[in-house]
Amino acid sequence: KNQVEQSPQSLIILEGKNCTLQCNYTVSPFSNLRWYKQDTGRGPVSLTIMTFSENTKSNGRYTATLDADTKQSSLHITASQLSDSASYICVVSARSNTGKLIFGQGTTLQVKP
Amino acid sequence: NAGVTQTPKFRILKIGQSMTLQCTQDMNHNYMYWYRQDPGMGLKLIYYSVGAGITDKGEVPNGYNVSRSTTEDFPLRLELAAPSQTSVYFCASSSRQGGETQYFGPGTRLLVL
Repeated sequence: KNQVEQSPQSLIILEGKNCTLQCNYTVSPFSNLRWYKQDTGRGPVSLTIMTFSENTKSNGRYTATLDADTKQSSLHITASQLSDSASYICVVSARSNTGKLIFGQGTTLQVKP
Repeated sequence: NAGVTQTPKFRILKIGQSMTLQCTQDMNHNYMYWYRQDPGMGLKLIYYSVGAGITDKGEVPNGYNVSRSTTEDFPLRLELAAPSQTSVYFCASSSRQGGETQYFGPGTRLLVL
């Protein structure tokens, strides 16, 4: 069964600190992996997208890594800001005719001053 | 561009009532999607459309119907509302499937009592 599991479920850090969010998936055949940021009361917004051949991709203070062999991804946030408080969702696309997305349950990050 | 817009933002329904959630995109995307997001859970695909006049079921289609008469609009219909349909509904669109980023609307929060 295609699944995406994220950890931790929630995280609290102090402003200015770094943090790393984890994503494990069992989706096969793999097409690509995305990280989305979802602010409270808003729809998800794409941060990064990585294909099978990509190991790292950055978007400002956000850096995503992908290990296709172990089927793991991480999202590293550097020098956190209060505006980083949100839910971060790992989404994996299976290579198929429909290209449907499998969503993780998300990690809720709270950045405190 | 407004992107993906959804109406209403919030609605309370009584059991057995029906309603239509509206979704419009102005990016000329062929692909449109409806998701529901339950608390602490990942987004689940209800229905999707690959173009005007073409729709297909997603992971959780029971209790819902859709139509796609134009490229811009993709309404979601609830015929007999049930408490299990209490959720946040997101509409999304993309220019391609699979490797293309999906753009999400702000969501409609539905409460069925």
